[in-house]
Amino acid sequence: EDQVTQSPEALRLQEGESSSLNCSYTVSGLRGLFWYRQDPGKGPEFLFTLYSAGEEKEKERLKATLTKKESFLHITAPKPEDSATYLCAATGGGNKLTFGTGTQLKVEL
Amino acid sequence: NAGVTQTPKFQVLKTGQSMTLQCAQDMNHNSMYWYRQDPGMGLRLIYYSASEGTTDKGEVPNGYNVSRLNKREFSLRLESAAPSQTSVYFCASSEAPGYGNTIYFGEGSWLTVV
Repeated sequence: EDQVTQSPEALRLQEGESSSLNCSYTVSGLRGLFWYRQDPGKGPEFLFTLYSAGEEKEKERLKATLTKKESFLHITAPKPEDSATYLCAATGGGNKLTFGTGTQLKVEL
Repeated sequence: NAGVTQTPKFQVLKTGQSMTLQCAQDMNHNSMYWYRQDPGMGLRLIYYSASEGTTDKGEVPNGYNVSRLNKREFSLRLESAAPSQTSVYFCASSEAPGYGNTIYFGEGSWLTVV
């Protein structure tokens, strides 16, 4: 059975304090590893898709990386507007996209 | 570009009542999905439609029915609502199933069953 586990459940950072969020996955024949951002009362907003180990993608202060067992979302010098829940999801193909329960990030001034 | 649009945004139902959640996408995607999101559970797939004219069950289909009305629209119906169906519902779409295609989500529908 496919599994996606995110850690930590919650993270509080000071503005400018870099950190990483972890996504561990067990998916047969990974076809894609996705990162989404979700603000309160909103739907998940697509950030990145990673397809193979060693791949990296960047967007502003965010960088996503992928190994054969994990993905990391690195946040460099975060700002309060980066506060959100970050969701990780993985698929081995077909229509089955397995989501983790998310990391709730709070960035304080 | 509206993307994926869901209605209604909020709804309160009494146990046993029925209702339909509507969803439309303007990205010309072939596949559409309905998910529910509950605290501590992550997003779970209820039903999906890989292409116009087809629908299939997901992880948690009991108590729900769906209709793919055309390529743009995919509705979710609760025939006899139960308190366990209190949740946030998200409609989503993608170009095609599988192959790592990105799934894009709507803004959500908050449903409370009392």
